[in-house]
Amino acid sequence: NAGVTQTPKFQVLKTGQSMTLQCAQDMNHNSMYWYRQDPGMGLRLIYYSASEGTTDKGEVPNGYNVSRLNKREFSLRLESAAPSQTSVYFCASSPQGNTQYFGPGTRLTVL
Amino acid sequence: KNQVEQSPQSLIILEGKNCTLQCNYTVSPFSNLRWYKQDTGRGPVSLTIMTFSENTKSNGRYTATLDADTKQSSLHITASQLSDSASYICVVSRGSGGSNYKLTFGKGTLLTVNP
Repeated sequence: NAGVTQTPKFQVLKTGQSMTLQCAQDMNHNSMYWYRQDPGMGLRLIYYSASEGTTDKGEVPNGYNVSRLNKREFSLRLESAAPSQTSVYFCASSPQGNTQYFGPGTRLTVL
Repeated sequence: KNQVEQSPQSLIILEGKNCTLQCNYTVSPFSNLRWYKQDTGRGPVSLTIMTFSENTKSNGRYTATLDADTKQSSLHITASQLSDSASYICVVSRGSGGSNYKLTFGKGTLLTVNP
């Protein structure tokens, strides 16, 4: 099992550009999550999907959209990137309410 | 306000020594407390999870304690190894059922183990 995979690993964008971060899990988990991690701060939840077909806002959803494409895949889209979105993005999955399994992260820089 | 405070921010120890990391929280209502290990450049990995009724849990050389009355937890690492060098993150879940949608993450303690 690959666990949780994320693509790309690194990305540099210019202000105003758009991009989609991809996440997939092969553990048959119902729930999936997107977090951002900034220096000197704890992980913060952007969006989550409790089950296939549902998505909900987390703590810091502004500037992002998500799609739960199927049970395996959960993507995060930045429609118009801003420097404040420079961060490391982590995708995670879990059985309902249980321990989360995190992906390796995407390091995004917005110039 | 729901908060998780960890101390120290960073710690350097010699290989083979023990250490203890602290976590204080003000999250309410409390559901469970988790410790994660995050290696540099990687995602966090779960070490332990404790509910209100559990006051100690071990995972190999890692032992977590929980005092729900004082809202404090500690992570004790025994006989440290170079591979223990990482950030250790305390996470508290609030609400009923241990929902993963209501987690408060600490900023982590960066542990460096030197030979």
